[in-house]
Amino acid sequence: GDSVTQMEGPVTLSEEAFLTINCTYTATGYPSLFWYVQYPGEGLQLLLKATKADDKGSNKGFEATYRKETTSFHLEKGSVQVSDSAVYFCALSHSSGGGADGLTFGKGTHLIIQP
Amino acid sequence: DGGITQSPKYLFRKEGQNVTLSCEQNLNHDAMYWYRQDPGQGLRLIYYSQIVNDFQKGDIAEGYSVSREKKESFPLTVTSAQKNPTAFYLCASSVSGTGTYEQYFGPGTRLTVT
Repeated sequence: GDSVTQMEGPVTLSEEAFLTINCTYTATGYPSLFWYVQYPGEGLQLLLKATKADDKGSNKGFEATYRKETTSFHLEKGSVQVSDSAVYFCALSHSSGGGADGLTFGKGTHLIIQP
Repeated sequence: DGGITQSPKYLFRKEGQNVTLSCEQNLNHDAMYWYRQDPGQGLRLIYYSQIVNDFQKGDIAEGYSVSREKKESFPLTVTSAQKNPTAFYLCASSVSGTGTYEQYFGPGTRLTVT
C-alpha cells in the first residue's frame, strides 16, 4: 500500500538557519502531496501542496517540489524563526480516488527553533 | 467563520464504556474523516464518509463506529472493543469529487481511558 517516510526528529536549529525536512513516498499511480503543520495541542493546518510532478508548492516562506523520479517532496525554508517550531507532517492522497479517500501521513518531524 | 468543531477537547472514560466524539463542520463539505494520532505514529485513518448516509472503513476501523445522518455531522463512537482507545482524535473535512482537495482539520479531542 501507500506509505510516507520522513526524517525522524526532533530537529533543532538556530533562528535564521536553513531548514530541510526530507520526505519520500511509495504509491501507485500519481498521488498528490501535502505538508501539514501542527502546533502543540492543536489540529493540523495545511502548509502547502503539489498535485503533479515538478509542481512546487509554497507558503509562508516554505517550499517543496514534487520529484517523481526520486519519489520525494522535501520541505525547505531559507531562514527559520522561533515561531516555526511545530510538528510537520508529509502526506499523500490515496491514488484511487483523490483526496476524498483520505490521506496517508508520515510520522511527523518535530522542529525546534532556538533563539 | 467557517470551520470544524470537535467537542469536548478532553474526555475521560473508564475502561469498558463506549464514548462518542463529536465533529461538526459548517464548510459545506461533502467528505468527512476521522484520524487517530499516537505519539511518534503520525495520523492513521479510522473511517471516512464521502456523502450523507454512506461511509467506509479506513486503515484501523476495528473497535470504532460512525454515522453520517447529516452533512454537517460525523460522530465517532469508540467502543469497548477498541483495545487501546487512549489517543488524540482528529476530525477533518474536504470537498469531494474527482479532483484532489486538501483536508481541513478540527482542533482534536484527547481521549483518556483508564
